[in-house]
Order: sequence, then C-alpha cells, then structure tokens
Amino acid sequence: DIQMTQSPSVLSASVGDRVTLNCKASQNINKYLNWYQQKLGEAPKLLIYNTNNLQTGIPSRFSGSGSGTDYTLTISSLQPEDVATYFCFQHNSWPDTFGAGTKLELK
Amino acid sequence: VQLVESGGGLVQPGKSLKLSCSASGFTFSSYGMHWIRQAPGKGLDWVAYISSSSGTVYADAVKGRFTISRDNAKNTLYLQLNSLKSEDTAIYYCARGTTGAYWGQGTLVTVSS
Repeated sequence: DIQMTQSPSVLSASVGDRVTLNCKASQNINKYLNWYQQKLGEAPKLLIYNTNNLQTGIPSRFSGSGSGTDYTLTISSLQPEDVATYFCFQHNSWPDTFGAGTKLELK
Repeated sequence: VQLVESGGGLVQPGKSLKLSCSASGFTFSSYGMHWIRQAPGKGLDWVAYISSSSGTVYADAVKGRFTISRDNAKNTLYLQLNSLKSEDTAIYYCARGTTGAYWGQGTLVTVSS
C-alpha cells in the first residue's frame, strides 16, 4: 500500500500569511493527488484534484503543485475561514490512501 | 448534487448493519462511488470503491467483512457491514467519483456491547 505522510501535523499562521502544506507519498503517484479541507463537524470538501486542478467554487488563493512523490498545497493569503484540517489523498493505485492530516490554526 | 447517508446506529460486536447512500442531482449510474470512514477524532480512512460497471475494491481492514453494492434504478449505494468490530466505529461517508468531488454528511456507526 502507498503511505502518505503529511507535514507538519499542526501549523499556526497569521491572517494574510502564505501557507504551505506538504504531502509525501511512499512511491510515485503520477500526480493522482487530491487535497480536502475538513472544518470541525463538517464533511470533507474537495479543494484540488490531480495535483493542481482547482475544484469549482474554491477560492483562487488555494493552489497545488508537485510530482512524483512530493506534493504541496499553498494558501497564498490565509483567511480566518481557512482554519481546518487538510488531508491529501492518492488515487493512483489501490487501495486509495489518505494522509493523516495537517491541522491549520490561527496564530 | 446531493448524497444522503443513512442506516447507522449502535450495534454489538459481531453483528451486521447495512448503510445506504441516496444520490440525486446527477446521473448516478455514470459514476463510481466510494465509502470512506472517520473514527471519532481521527483522520480519514478509505473503505471501498465500486465503479460504474460494478467492479469493486476494498481496504484490507474490511475485505471479507464489508460488501459495497449499488442499485442504479434506485440511485442508491450500499455498504453491508458484517462481523463488526469496535474499531469499525466511525462516521461513514459516501463520495462520488474517483476524485471524491462530492460527499454526503455521513452516518455514525457505533460498535459496542
């Protein structure tokens, strides 16, 4: 199975900061990497699919990049409503697997 | 697009439960569907996938105990949970497509004596 490792596990940042979240796969996942945002008490929401495609309705301050085993989610200017846990997800090969998540907090 | 899960509840270890996911707002038969779960306070755990042609894949932790199925005439996805264990306690979500673009709000399954 492909293991997905997210870092950091907790990130504290200020409003307006540029924030970078990382996700590393245990093997090449050919850019089949999605990012989800989960706010407290809510279902996860798709932000980015296949590394760098912004889901409809998601603000443009969110962007994704990466290739091979290393992927990044960037928030260009952190907003208060971005406080959430972010999960990466690989769907290159079965079984699909999630990272453990990065909890994003306001400083 | 709307996905509504149902069928969760409190069940004893070793017992069974069947979850449903009612879909609307899209052509259900054209999409593969996932079940994904989340234990209380924990991360996301992929459970199973069924393709539009009803091919299935399972996580090792549930293989042989859980069965994913679909009824395209009823626009409904199912997950049959057998031989339940305490570690199966979680919110169970259904999600549409290989990208998981849309999720339901989940249904809570609690396995406890």
